[in-house]
Amino acid sequence: SQTIHQWPATLVQPVGSPLSLECTVEGTSNPNLYWYRQAAGRGLQLLFYSVGIGQISSEVPQNLSASRPQDRQFILSSKKLLLSDSGFYLCAWSYDIGNNSPLHFGNGTRLTVT
Amino acid sequence: AQSVAQPEDQVNVAEGNPLTVKCTYSVSGNPYLFWYVQYPNRGLQFLLKYITGDNLVKGSYGFEAEFNKSQTSFHLKKPSALVSDSALYFCAVRDRTGTASKLTFGTGTRLQVTL
Repeated sequence: SQTIHQWPATLVQPVGSPLSLECTVEGTSNPNLYWYRQAAGRGLQLLFYSVGIGQISSEVPQNLSASRPQDRQFILSSKKLLLSDSGFYLCAWSYDIGNNSPLHFGNGTRLTVT
Repeated sequence: AQSVAQPEDQVNVAEGNPLTVKCTYSVSGNPYLFWYVQYPNRGLQFLLKYITGDNLVKGSYGFEAEFNKSQTSFHLKKPSALVSDSALYFCAVRDRTGTASKLTFGTGTRLQVTL
């Protein structure tokens, strides 16, 4: 079966510090990978998605970047965090075949920028 | 552009009673529709999806959803609510001709089930 791991679960970082959140998927090959941010426990905003190694699409211009160095690894980064980067970050994967594949989410990382 | 509306911020229901969480959508073509549930400090869990065929879709934990094309709705239902169903529920839509990334979520409905 497929599993998705996301870490750390919580993170408190000062303004201006760098960020690296990691997500890995097991049990499938060539998944589509996604980073979402959930603000105030509600709305989901798609930040980045990837259909293959080294292929990253950005949905929202911002202080963050993403990379996919391996097939099942997706990393969210920032060089200098802003207060507005605080939120709940969710990684997800889906099969790469067809548009009816649901997303499968990790347990998220709660980031607090102080 | 596609969109999803969840008109109720919160739904309250007594345990054992039927529940309905409403969702309406707008897409340019035919939709794929999804329901997810989120428990506190956790990721979203997939509940069910509508692709084609039978308008009544059955999913996990006894939930089902009814696709109504004329009303552009996809309401989530359960015949008998449990306290453990209390969570945040999200409806999502994707146009069949769109890219895999173009999944639009609603703003969520908080379901509170009480004894």
